Amino acid sequence: EVQLVESGGGLVKPGGSLRLSCAASGFTFSSYSMNWVRQAPGKGLEWVSSISSSSSYIYYADSVKGRFTISRDNAKNSLYLQMNSLRAEDTAVYYCAREIVSGWFDPWGQGTLVTVSS
Amino acid sequence: SYELTQPPSVSVSPGQTARITCSGDALPKKYAYWYQQKSGQAPVLVIYEDSKRPSGIPERFSGSSSGTMATLTISGAQVEDEADYYCYSTDSSGNRGVFGGGTKLTVL
Repeated sequence: EVQLVESGGGLVKPGGSLRLSCAASGFTFSSYSMNWVRQAPGKGLEWVSSISSSSSYIYYADSVKGRFTISRDNAKNSLYLQMNSLRAEDTAVYYCAREIVSGWFDPWGQGTLVTVSS
Repeated sequence: SYELTQPPSVSVSPGQTARITCSGDALPKKYAYWYQQKSGQAPVLVIYEDSKRPSGIPERFSGSSSGTMATLTISGAQVEDEADYYCYSTDSSGNRGVFGGGTKLTVL
């Protein structure tokens, strides 16, 4: 079964840091680009970042550029998102998603909640 | 930064046709994708590359794109189609993704 499982979410103070992980199984992880998408409580989806299969191409939304770092370890079938200088507006459920072809995200993980609050 | 614009809500009666639009300056050159998200669930792709339907998605879902507007059409909407629908595309560089603000479809 193709599956993505996120972890690492939690409560963090403004200005703090958090590292999210996404464990992949059931497919050849190293063959696919991966993405992070977030959804603030009661709000819409927001694309956050993408990384190509070999980490050669990395892109960020303007809202997180310079604060977040996406990375992957193909040997461990894992995707990461290092989040620094967190702000209240970063509070959201963070999903990782496999990109089958550009724009086609499937599957998605179950999401991990990040809450930034003092 | 690049934006995709959707109507906040669309409401139809069961069996009617629902149309959800998505406008963006780069859509003449970039594909649109449509995601359905039901309450408490992860999104599911219902249309890719403007008008193609993934396997398992009912035929009543269709998509089209013309100029700066993409449209998701649900012909004969069912109660189970009630959900939030999001269009997705990329900016003109093709490097940064963007979701529309989402449209809440009510079928009752």
